[in-house]
Amino acid sequence: AQTVTQSQPEMSVQEAETVTLSCTYDTSESDYYLFWYKQPPSRQMILVIRQEAYKQQNATENRFSVNFQKAAKSFSLKISDSQLGDAAMYFCAYRKTGNQFYFGTGTSLTVIP
Amino acid sequence: DVKVTQSSRYLVKRTGEKVFLECVQDMDHENMFWYRQDPGLGLRLIYFSYDVKMKEKGDIPEGYSVSREKKERFSLILESASTNQTSMYLCASSTSGPRMYNEQFFGPGTRLTVL
Repeated sequence: AQTVTQSQPEMSVQEAETVTLSCTYDTSESDYYLFWYKQPPSRQMILVIRQEAYKQQNATENRFSVNFQKAAKSFSLKISDSQLGDAAMYFCAYRKTGNQFYFGTGTSLTVIP
Repeated sequence: DVKVTQSSRYLVKRTGEKVFLECVQDMDHENMFWYRQDPGLGLRLIYFSYDVKMKEKGDIPEGYSVSREKKERFSLILESASTNQTSMYLCASSTSGPRMYNEQFFGPGTRLTVL
């Protein structure tokens, strides 16, 4: 069974600082995709960033980047220059061949002004 | 702009009522999903559908059923609502096939309270 673990239920960061959210996953597959989603308070879940397992290069999207360690089955999200609008619940997700996604339990990020 | 819509943002029902949650997507996606979101438990898959009239059980299907008569619409049915089904329900859709890098697109959610 595939499992995704987010060990940090809550995190906080000072505005303009950098924060890293952790995610580990369990799989026996070699080809899969990983995603980070953001769910702002009372708003729709949206994609932040994605990573293809066969690519060694870490994905980046503006202030968001990942540290993908395939052997360690680790997929952390780094948010640089944190902004108030980054405050949200963040979910890590895994998708292998097929249609199903597997989500972690989420990390609630607070940004302190 | 791609869109997944859900019929209600907030819903209050009584124990024993039959409840319908509707989800519509305009992206011609093959796959549609229903999740339940509870604090500390993340998103748990109830059912998903990879084609019209097709459905697969997820991790927590008990007490729920689904219907997909048209490609764009996926309904979640609570046959006899119970208080432990009070939760946030999220609908999502995605493409199939080799484009696995494509993400799921989510609706705004329906917060259901069963009294």
